[in-house]
Amino acid sequence: DGGITQSPKYLFRKEGQNVTLSCEQNLNHDAMYWYRQDPGQGLRLIYYSQIVNDFQKGDIAEGYSVSREKKESFPLTVTSAQKNPTAFYLCASSWGVPMNTEAFFGQGTRLTVV
Amino acid sequence: GQQVMQIPQYQHVQEGEDFTTYCNSSTTLSNIQWYKQRPGGHPVFLIQLVKSGEVKKQKRLTFQFGEAKKNSSLHITATQTTDVGTYFCGGSQGNLIFGKGTKLSVKP
Repeated sequence: DGGITQSPKYLFRKEGQNVTLSCEQNLNHDAMYWYRQDPGQGLRLIYYSQIVNDFQKGDIAEGYSVSREKKESFPLTVTSAQKNPTAFYLCASSWGVPMNTEAFFGQGTRLTVV
Repeated sequence: GQQVMQIPQYQHVQEGEDFTTYCNSSTTLSNIQWYKQRPGGHPVFLIQLVKSGEVKKQKRLTFQFGEAKKNSSLHITATQTTDVGTYFCGGSQGNLIFGKGTKLSVKP
């Protein structure tokens, strides 16, 4: 059953701790993306990757880091430098960049930092 | 940088009424995509428009891409409660830049 999987669905962390969100896809897509969603703010691009071992900053990359060691995996680390980390995080994948084909989104991870 | 504006931010309709959301870009787009996000869910792809002036229909949904490829609209005829959710447009000049979405609520 092909798709894109994010885990966990809900995540709680204490302020000052780094946290890593998982994103795995078995669609054989080259491109993967991380978006952040806040109420009334739409979807804002954090990082994207077109190929393994390469990734680019999006509009709001500060306080985040990513890696792309495998085609299937694109984990996102929310560091303690991110001032407002509480948000809904969505991972997506597509056949390539530019995104001229549909994007498939994961179920999302809702991160709460207390 | 590229910006995609979407209006209205919220729309409340009575079931059976029509609904339209509009998307405008500050730059010419190579394509535009529309997604629907149900409450508590994730965005799901609806359609992609590529050609200038393109119009596509999916049952009660009509999508248009402007002649200048800078604007687009989604029109729903005779809304149903199943149409509830947030509708996002995403404009592509490279990466997909999303509008803030229009949240649709439908009163039975």
